[in-house]
Amino acid sequence: NAGVTQTPKFQVLKTGQSMTLQCAQDMNHNSMYWYRQDPGMGLRLIYYSASEGTTDKGEVPNGYNVSRLNKREFSLRLESAAPSQTSVYFCATSGTKWTEAFFGQGTRLTVV
Amino acid sequence: AQSVTQLGSHVSVSEGALVLLRCNYSSSVPPYLFWYVQYPNQGLQLLLKYTTGATLVKGINGFEAEFKKSETSFHLTKPSAHMSDAAEYFCAVTPINTGNQFYFGTGTSLTVIP
Repeated sequence: NAGVTQTPKFQVLKTGQSMTLQCAQDMNHNSMYWYRQDPGMGLRLIYYSASEGTTDKGEVPNGYNVSRLNKREFSLRLESAAPSQTSVYFCATSGTKWTEAFFGQGTRLTVV
Repeated sequence: AQSVTQLGSHVSVSEGALVLLRCNYSSSVPPYLFWYVQYPNQGLQLLLKYTTGATLVKGINGFEAEFKKSETSFHLTKPSAHMSDAAEYFCAVTPINTGNQFYFGTGTSLTVIP
């Protein structure tokens, strides 16, 4: 039982390049989230998806797009990477409302 | 809007001493509350949560937290620190009217001194 799987684990991009971060869960959860973690700023919500077919902006959506491909998968795309997007990205899922979130291991992205 | 404040970005305690990590939330309606722990280069792991019922909540690894509505607080404690407790700790809330968004504090890094 893998839980929440993120790929890749590490990535270095040049400014202006694009990439997609993948997240897959086998927990049969409806809600999925993308957060970024920066030193001293905690976790900030980029986008979330309350159910298959829906997505909503979080606190810091600029420069990102998301796709909820199906119930299992939720991807985050950077169309034109910027150094300010250097961060650790976490995917998370939650089941029914008010239950806790379960996190993946993170993707460490560096934009040079 | 929800906000979570964790007082003290860095806390150091001696091994065997009391651990106290502070968390306050701002919300007119008390949210559901969570504490997560993050070890280096890992994701976040749930320590404990408060939804309803008893306000003193026990979690894994000997941690507990008490929800105090009058103080809008959910402080995390452990009677005796262990070296393995060194990690980053995050307090989080989710509004009871939606229940599907999580708001995190900025985290507290706990150092345990041998």
